[in-house]
Amino acid sequence: QSVLTQPPSVSGAPGQRVTISCTGSSSNLGAGYDVHWYQQVPGIAPKLLIYDNDNRPSGVPDRFSGFKSGTSASLAITGLQAEDEADYYCQSYDNYLSAWVFGGGTKLTVL
Amino acid sequence: QITLKESGPTLVKPTQTLTLTCTFSGFSLTTGGVGVGWIRQPPGKALEWLALIYWNDEKFYSPSLKSRLTITKDTSKSQVDLTMTTMDPVDTATYFCARVRAASVFESWGQGTLVTVSS
Repeated sequence: QSVLTQPPSVSGAPGQRVTISCTGSSSNLGAGYDVHWYQQVPGIAPKLLIYDNDNRPSGVPDRFSGFKSGTSASLAITGLQAEDEADYYCQSYDNYLSAWVFGGGTKLTVL
Repeated sequence: QITLKESGPTLVKPTQTLTLTCTFSGFSLTTGGVGVGWIRQPPGKALEWLALIYWNDEKFYSPSLKSRLTITKDTSKSQVDLTMTTMDPVDTATYFCARVRAASVFESWGQGTLVTVSS
């Protein structure tokens, strides 16, 4: 299993708000390492969505936001749109493993 | 504009050695703080970090794959190579390279290249 734990799937209707959690431990998120989020449409390369916990790269809509506290982080998507249907991954660094680590991914379905 | 593109064989036999090349543009691997990493994704599965090389030639490897991996850079060609020995069918995956910024975030990704390990 992944070092960072994400729910396998979440869903929501268009216009709704959904959140995706990312749970780590004292050797990664709890140690103060930043969390980053990526969006991956099937068959396409991942795209950076949120960096350094709560920052959006240029071009990412403000419907996407990130939050981190202690050993957990979350990605929130408001005003859900059909184009948001994708897989979402959290990522950080783990100092026990001395490795960059990803979550197991969460599949977002827009109903 | 930053671009990265992976290249290499699409099919390798078990026990063979795989060498992939990441050719990039829009940045230099001589710039402080910049790195290039390799990440793979088996079909239908999650992303897995493999290796990373920084502008100062510092290299890092996944602990579980360290004995099989070698990452090198050629700054004059704007390329980073990843070599993985003793390939096995479980190594079948799409392999991505990505620009690393601020020591931790994979900021820009290549399109990926699917490598199948089969006899």
